[in-house]
Order: sequence, then structure tokens, then C-alpha cells
Amino acid sequence: KQEVTQIPAALSVPEGENLVLNCSFTDSAIYNLQWFRQDPGKGLTSLLLIQSSQREQTSGRLNASLDKSSGRSTLYIAASQPGDSATYLCAVDGIQGAQKLVFGQGTRLTINP
Amino acid sequence: DTGVSQDPRHKITKRGQNVTFRCDPISEHNRLYWYRQTLGQGPEFLTYFQNEAQLEKSRLLSDRFSAERPKGSFSTLEIQRTEQGDSAMYLCASSLSGIAEAFFGQGTRLTVV
Repeated sequence: KQEVTQIPAALSVPEGENLVLNCSFTDSAIYNLQWFRQDPGKGLTSLLLIQSSQREQTSGRLNASLDKSSGRSTLYIAASQPGDSATYLCAVDGIQGAQKLVFGQGTRLTINP
Repeated sequence: DTGVSQDPRHKITKRGQNVTFRCDPISEHNRLYWYRQTLGQGPEFLTYFQNEAQLEKSRLLSDRFSAERPKGSFSTLEIQRTEQGDSAMYLCASSLSGIAEAFFGQGTRLTVV
């Protein structure tokens, strides 16, 4: 059974810092990995999708990498801003085409002005 | 395209009552998913449809839960005889088969009192 773990559970940093969020998964036979952002009481916003043939994806100040063999992904946020404060979730799917996602419990990020 | 739409956004119900939630996916998406999220946890998979066919159900989906997608467009999730443990955020997502990225709605927050 696939299990996804995110460390740390919570992180508080001053504005402007670069930071890294970690995601690990127990079964390396994944097809895709997706990072999401969730604001309090809201739904999920897709940030980055890394497909099985890829090792990283970039969008603006965000960069996500994937190492399937070690079961790890990182989300790098450059020059953090207070508006980046949210919970960040990673999710993997394990069956080609099914896209049923298994989520970590999330990292609650607070950027202090 | 307005994205994935869920209705209602919030629902408070008394224990033992039945509730029904609706999800309208992105119009061209043929896959639709339901997830449940409790406070401080990542979403957990409940069920998914490809067009009108319900292809997989989680063991989390007890006999009191039923989901339909009658014409392959919108979907409903019904919970019968609600229990306090059903209190959660119910999230709907959609995707296009062959395209890995899942898009989520804003969720329906259910409170059973």
C-alpha cells in the first residue's frame, strides 16, 4: 500500500527566504506526482505535475523535482512571499491511466512579513 | 471554463439525516473523482468515474454512501443516515483520460451535529 509522508508538518520562515518542502513515498512504482496548494477552508490548486518520464518541473518561483528510485520529491520555493502562506500537499498515483491520487498530510507554510 | 464546481459549499445537518452533494466537472473532462478530507489530513480517495461508469470504490465508501454520474457529466454523492464521523470536506476533481493533471473544486464542508 502506497504511503506518502511530508516533512516538516509545519514551517514558518521570514519573507524573502528560499525554502524546500519534502515529500517521500514508499512505492517507487508511481506514474505521476503532483504538488497542490490549499488555502484554509478551500479546495486544492494544482501547482506542478511531474510525469513519470520527467525529473523536474518549474513554474515561476516554484521548482519541483522527482527521484522515483529513492521515493522522494522536493518543492523549492524561491524568494518566499506572505501570499505563499498555505498548506502544500503532494500526491502520487500508482497505476498508469487510473490517476487515483494518494496524498501526504501536507506541510503548513507560514511566511512572516 | 469555470473549473470544477461543487454545491453546496457548506452543509450542516443533524445526525441521521440524508445529504446530497453535487459536482460539475470541467466540461471536456471524462474522469471525475470524489475525495474526503478531515482536518489536518490529506484528502483520501473515495470513488471515481470514467464517463458514466463508476470504475473504483474505496473501502472508505460504506453502504451509506452512493455516488452517481448518470449522463457522464455532473455527479452526485449521497450520504444516508449521516453520522458525526462523516463530518469532513468532500472534494471533487476531474481530469481528461490520458492527461495526468487533476483539477479540484472548492469542496463541500459537511458538519453533522
